[in-house]
Amino acid sequence: DAKTTQPPSMDCAEGRAANLPCNHSTISGNEYVYWYRQIHSQGPQYIIHGLKNNETNEMASLIITEDRKSSTLILPHATLRDTAVYYCIVRLPTGGGNKLTFGTGTQLKVEL
Amino acid sequence: DAGVTQSPTHLIKTRGQQVTLRCSPKSGHDTVSWYQQALGQGPQFIFQYYEEEERQRGNFPDRFSGHQFPNYSSELNVNALLLGDSALYLCASSEAGGLAGFYEQYFGPGTRLTVT
Repeated sequence: DAKTTQPPSMDCAEGRAANLPCNHSTISGNEYVYWYRQIHSQGPQYIIHGLKNNETNEMASLIITEDRKSSTLILPHATLRDTAVYYCIVRLPTGGGNKLTFGTGTQLKVEL
Repeated sequence: DAGVTQSPTHLIKTRGQQVTLRCSPKSGHDTVSWYQQALGQGPQFIFQYYEEEERQRGNFPDRFSGHQFPNYSSELNVNALLLGDSALYLCASSEAGGLAGFYEQYFGPGTRLTVT
């Protein structure tokens, strides 16, 4: 699985968009980008995943650059409950079971 | 519908002892994975069970072993506990056929193990 690089921490004002970057310059052509988050004292929670096209669901949007070497997770209207550690993970969609390789993630703090 | 449940919530053990942690997967899931999360770190994959067999293993010593039961629940056993085994142990489950394709993993709240 390709390695990812994320900033250790970010702050965001409540109601504003939170844009969390992830660098994955060694990603291979068939590897997907996944995002999970972990709210304090809870297990990680799946957010979204994508290959090359931008993706959106009820939680967030995922923007992947054309060269696929980086991506951005967007929380359009951050709330205090979005305060969490966000993990960007790159992996193959098939084979190898569902093993997830987590880095240290980005600690997002949403403030009033 | 209950999600992934784990027991106990917290546990304190002494070096050299053995511990068993338990996990019940989300209804309809048959694949269970275990992760260890040290303080300030991301979760690290220990192993995965499917059809009552260990299918994939991370870089953990043989002191870490597991079991999956016919009802898909699972146990994680750690022998000869070390201080470094202190961590949050997370269980994650996913849908049938968890060896292929992307199946969203649902994590439990974890068991906090402290080794003194």
